Amino acid sequence: DAGVIQSPRHEVTEMGQEVTLRCKPISGHDYLFWYRQTMMRGLELLIYFNNNVPIDDSGMPEDRFSAKMPNASFSTLKIQPSEPRDSAVYFCASSLGDRLGPLHFGNGTRLTVT
Amino acid sequence: AQTVTQSQPEMSVQEAETVTLSCTYDTSESDYYLFWYKQPPSRQMILVIRQEAYKQQNATENRFSVNFQKAAKSFSLKISDSQLGDAAMYFCAYRSANYGGSQGNLIFGKGTKLSVKP
Repeated sequence: DAGVIQSPRHEVTEMGQEVTLRCKPISGHDYLFWYRQTMMRGLELLIYFNNNVPIDDSGMPEDRFSAKMPNASFSTLKIQPSEPRDSAVYFCASSLGDRLGPLHFGNGTRLTVT
Repeated sequence: AQTVTQSQPEMSVQEAETVTLSCTYDTSESDYYLFWYKQPPSRQMILVIRQEAYKQQNATENRFSVNFQKAAKSFSLKISDSQLGDAAMYFCAYRSANYGGSQGNLIFGKGTKLSVKP
């Protein structure tokens, strides 16, 4: 089991640029989550999917953020245009829906917007 | 809405000693999961231990154990025989056991930074 795979591990970009973060969940998992971690706000849920369908996107900060899950093995989180306040670590996590057990996290993407 | 509170921003323990990290939560649900995650400097989120609310017996994983007090909505983590590798941020988290809807989310506390002194 390869675990949840995120790419890139680090991303540095300039304000105004488009950023795309990628995630491959654990095979067979039917829930996928995107979290953002900052010192000030801790871990915040941005959006999560069940069977590739977005269930709750109330944590998405604003229209600059969008997330897709075109199939069961791939998801993207896009920020366009990026701003310095978007700098954070972005985690993807997946879980098996049976009895809603623990989330398995990827190693995160550290995003720096200058 | 459910909330998770960790009242200790930082804790310190001597190597080989025992430390307890506190966590309280608020919910109106009766069926849920509670977790402790560890985040070392590598930033990886590692599941330490889990507890299902319907189970009265406290979960144990090697040197890690919990004290689950459902009526008091308390879920503390005890680390015995602390090791240098235990130094990390520890997050308490809640997840509803209700299937589907907007209740699949994992709700985290703010974390406790644990230092281990040699």
